[in-house]
Amino acid sequence: AAGVIQSPRHLIKEKRETATLKCYPIPRHDTVYWYQQGPGQDPQFLISFYEKMQSDKGSIPDRFSAQQFSDYHSELNMSSLELGDSALYFCASSLLRGNSGNTIYFGEGSWLTVV
Amino acid sequence: AQKITQTQPGMFVQEKEAVTLDCTYDTSDQSYGLFWYKQPSSGEMIFLIYQGSYDEQNATEGRYSLNFQKARKSANLVISASQLGDSAMYFCAMRDALGGGYQKVTFGIGTKLQVIP
Repeated sequence: AAGVIQSPRHLIKEKRETATLKCYPIPRHDTVYWYQQGPGQDPQFLISFYEKMQSDKGSIPDRFSAQQFSDYHSELNMSSLELGDSALYFCASSLLRGNSGNTIYFGEGSWLTVV
Repeated sequence: AQKITQTQPGMFVQEKEAVTLDCTYDTSDQSYGLFWYKQPSSGEMIFLIYQGSYDEQNATEGRYSLNFQKARKSANLVISASQLGDSAMYFCAMRDALGGGYQKVTFGIGTKLQVIP
């Protein structure tokens, strides 16, 4: 079965640069989530989209923005990168409508290193 | 207030034995979901098991079972017959209902499980 696809898997950027992470949710899933996991930390919720509309916002810095496109893929844009942005970034998707809407599946994550 | 509490930073278990990972949660919502995820050292977040707040039966998925005690607000994960490949970080998570039905997942800090041969 198709899973959540994230790209790139690994990314190295310098301070003050910009990075874009992409996420392709499981087909027919209507909700996408972005999480940030720092070294040794639990995943922290950044932002979510339901049917291409932003549905909730967590601890996402103002330097970050995200959107979901008509084909349901999502992109997380990070500007003016700081060393502290180095983390594993997860995208997850779920289907809120229907009986299978309870499980949230995660992608394999994108490792961002800021040097 | 912490929504998900995992009080065991690390645990050891002998191969082939059972182990219980503790999780307590806090929510005022009547409708919520509880999850366990496994994160090996490679980093991916693997879904293990789900329990809905209205589910009367404890969830089971192969060697994983969730000991759901609603009154105590606990959702412990039981892994039977531990295998070396079970060594990983385990996260308990909860899904809250928000206005409009959109739901996000909040994670605990995790428990690192090491299976000893």
